[in-house]
Amino acid sequence: QQPVQSPQAVILREGEDAVINCSSSKALYSVHWYRQKHGEAPVFLMILLKGGEQKGHEKISASFNEKKQQSSLYLTASQLSYSGTYFCGTEYTGANSKLTFGKGITLSVRP
Amino acid sequence: GAVVSQHPSWVICKSGTSVKIECRSLDFQATTMFWYRQFPKQSLMLMATSNEGSKATYEQGVEKDKFLINHASLTLSTLTVTSAHPEDSSFYICSANPPGHYEQYFGPGTRLTVT
Repeated sequence: QQPVQSPQAVILREGEDAVINCSSSKALYSVHWYRQKHGEAPVFLMILLKGGEQKGHEKISASFNEKKQQSSLYLTASQLSYSGTYFCGTEYTGANSKLTFGKGITLSVRP
Repeated sequence: GAVVSQHPSWVICKSGTSVKIECRSLDFQATTMFWYRQFPKQSLMLMATSNEGSKATYEQGVEKDKFLINHASLTLSTLTVTSAHPEDSSFYICSANPPGHYEQYFGPGTRLTVT
């Protein structure tokens, strides 16, 4: 069951903030966030395992709600290098099981 | 960080021929590797899970006889697209989890064009 990502696309200016969401109709084991630039492989950003968890690195952070059905990725003071397509990948059954990816959200940061 | 490589980076072949794509984990051993296909501007679709020493597990709708997977060692998995047709043209990406890691690390991908 493919998770639903929103919004469909984001355009922002350098320095602005953005929020990307990933939702599932049933509880998840984990949520993985990846960023992919055109023609390249996805790059791992972070993983969330626990309901209510929040974590971050530098200006990118993410949360996982208590019911483990929704995750959000927060991009703060965006940089040009943040441009790309953001995918959430979801695990339903346990660690190292297969990931089901959302359709992805294209984020464009302009000068 | 963990490194996964793929070879070749791109390949152009004629319809009806077979193409082999290699996926290697360079600095860790992987008993399981995943193969994805991605069409332009679309999501990553899991094709199959490659298991070292046993048969691959294919996702629903993926033809086992057309997409042959061999996990020859703990660092190498291969995907062979047999009797390729233009509709098989796509970006093929593999991934693997280093031991003790939940996250998957992706290879750089192989762009297949069938003419």
